[in-house]
Amino acid sequence: GEDVEQSLFLSVREGDSSVINCTYTDSSSTYLYWYKQEPGAGLQLLTYIFSNMDMKQDQRLTVLLNKKDKHLSLRIADTQTGDSAIYFCAERPTSGTYKYIFGTGTRLKVLA
Amino acid sequence: NAGVTQTPKFQVLKTGQSMTLQCAQDMNHNSMYWYRQDPGMGLRLIYYSASEGTTDKGEVPNGYNVSRLNKREFSLRLESAAPSQTSVYFCASSEGLAGGPYYNEQFFGPGTRLTVL
Repeated sequence: GEDVEQSLFLSVREGDSSVINCTYTDSSSTYLYWYKQEPGAGLQLLTYIFSNMDMKQDQRLTVLLNKKDKHLSLRIADTQTGDSAIYFCAERPTSGTYKYIFGTGTRLKVLA
Repeated sequence: NAGVTQTPKFQVLKTGQSMTLQCAQDMNHNSMYWYRQDPGMGLRLIYYSASEGTTDKGEVPNGYNVSRLNKREFSLRLESAAPSQTSVYFCASSEGLAGGPYYNEQFFGPGTRLTVL
């Protein structure tokens, strides 16, 4: 079945790098996404990667995609207290579908 | 632009009561979605509407109905609420695959926190 897995919690010190991992199941996924949810709010798109890419960098964010292992990661450099949130990985299994599959979410806590 | 708005923000129901969660977007988006968020389970799709006039079931549609009232509005109805429907409900919208950027970003509302006793 379709399942996107993430570890539930991650704790890092301010200034360190954070790496949030995700495994997905559908190798035909065309786009993979990282969304951020701040306390009491809805989700906001952080970044996305197209399936023919291995890496995408956007300021402090680096996304790595390993299609062979169906593994996606999000690295946040110089993590700040404002980065404390829940991070969701999501996939769009096949082109032309509206059914996004979201992961369980990883709660990132940044310690001052 | 308000983006995606949801009402109410909080609601407490008794088992068996009914209610409708309202969602509206002002971005002229074609597609709209309803999700529920439960601890340790992430977001699960309840129903979606690819375009005005169409609705389809998602992963967990049982116990819910939806109406795409017009392009702006997409409501979610619980006919007979059950404690298992205690959750945070999110509405989202996107331009849709027929138009707009291919990555099809979803924009989320602030959520409705529902408790069923």
